[in-house]
Amino acid sequence: EAQVTQNPRYLITVTGKKLTVTCSQNMNHEYMSWYRQDPGLGLRQIYYSMNVEVTDKGDVPEGYKVSRKEKRNFPLILESPSPNQTSLYFCASSSRGTGANVLTFGAGSRLTVL
Amino acid sequence: DAKTTQPTSMDCAEGRAANLPCNHSTISGNEYVYWYRQIHSQGPQYIIHGLKNNETNEMASLIITEDRKSSTLILPHATLRDTAVYYCIVSAYSGSARQLTFGSGTQLTVLP
Repeated sequence: EAQVTQNPRYLITVTGKKLTVTCSQNMNHEYMSWYRQDPGLGLRQIYYSMNVEVTDKGDVPEGYKVSRKEKRNFPLILESPSPNQTSLYFCASSSRGTGANVLTFGAGSRLTVL
Repeated sequence: DAKTTQPTSMDCAEGRAANLPCNHSTISGNEYVYWYRQIHSQGPQYIIHGLKNNETNEMASLIITEDRKSSTLILPHATLRDTAVYYCIVSAYSGSARQLTFGSGTQLTVLP
């Protein structure tokens, strides 16, 4: 089944403890992206990647890092999490070959930073 | 990308057609209209998109006015599982640019 898989789905951590949220897609998509969703603020893009080794900042990149060493994986790294990074995170991917912005989203990762 | 305007919320009776409007009066010639939905904190789900012509797939129909300044997403026979936030997004495709910007959407509630 074509899908975007995120792990963990739920995580409670403490301020300053580094964590990584993994994202993997099995559709050979070139484009991958991370969003966060907060009440009243909608979905906001954190980082995106047009292809392997090509990443760029979205609207809210502060406090996050990403890497794209392989086409299928796009992990989101929080080096020193803070409570304002408590949020619902979504990874998404799409194929550049379709000529349209059709994104496939993961199920989401709910992160709580205490 | 052009801005869109959607009603905050709508209700629809189960089994009836749900018609969700979207205004995008500043849309430009190369911008598509996309519809996504999000069911209660799940990942958003792609529904349909179009440029000029009306489109239909297994989930919905998209009606775009001739001047392209507004569109309507039609769910022909709404079910309780269609209760979700529906996002109308206008965006040009670019292989090197950031993609879709999600606004507040319309909360559709399908009533039994």
